[in-house]
Amino acid sequence: DAKTTQPPSMDCAEGRAANLPCNHSTISGNEYVYWYRQIHSQGPQYIIHGLKNNETNEMASLIITEDRKSSTLILPHATLRDTAVYYCIVRVGNSGGSNYKLTFGKGTLLTVNP
Amino acid sequence: EAGVAQSPRYKIIEKRQSVAFWCNPISGHATLYWYQQILGQGPKLLIQFQNNGVVDDSQLPKDRFSAERLKGVDSTLKIQPAKLEDSAVYLCASSLNMAGGTNYGYTFGSGTRLTVV
Repeated sequence: DAKTTQPPSMDCAEGRAANLPCNHSTISGNEYVYWYRQIHSQGPQYIIHGLKNNETNEMASLIITEDRKSSTLILPHATLRDTAVYYCIVRVGNSGGSNYKLTFGKGTLLTVNP
Repeated sequence: EAGVAQSPRYKIIEKRQSVAFWCNPISGHATLYWYQQILGQGPKLLIQFQNNGVVDDSQLPKDRFSAERLKGVDSTLKIQPAKLEDSAVYLCASSLNMAGGTNYGYTFGSGTRLTVV
C-alpha cells in the first residue's frame, strides 16, 4: 500500500468546516483513498472513500486532486463530537479477488473547539 | 445490525502472565482481523482470517501470540507470556470478504485495553 502523509494535529471551531489534508504522492492507479476516524476509546469508523472523482456522503466530502497525489476530507459543519483522530489510507479497492488490508498511519488529531 | 463484539473491555495483568481476548464479528462476515494499537500510534494488523483459515500473520509475534477462529465465526487472541510492551488496545474488525465487501469496508469493535504491569 502507498504511504500517506498527514499533519499530526489540527484545530477547528465548532460550526465551521474542517479541511483535513492528506498527501499520497506514490498512489497507484488502482488504489483508492479511504478515510477512517477514531473517537477516543472506540474502534476506527469508516467515513468515505474515492478513486478519482470527488465523493460526498452524509458524513463528509472527499476532494481528490486531478493527479491523485493528494486529497482533502471536508467536514462541512464540525461539531464537538467530530473530535477524533482521522486516518487517510490508500489501498486497492473492492474489485474482488485479492487481499486488501488496511494499513494505518498515525493520522491527524482533529480538535473541534467550542 | 449488531456490531463487532469484544470482551473483556479492560484487562490488567502482571508480566509473564497469560491473557485471552474474544471477538464475535458481524454475522456473515467471512474475514476477521486483529489489530494492536499502542498509545499514540495507528492500529497495526496482527493477523487476518478468512473463515477459519489464516490469510496473513506476518506481523504476529508467534513466540508469544496465538489466535484461532476454529468454527469460522468468533475468534480468540492469546498472549503467553505477556511483556510490558504488549500494553495496548487490541481491536477486532470484520468484513464481508477480503476485499472489504461493501463500500463500508471494515467494521471495528471497541477493543480491549490491556495493561501489563
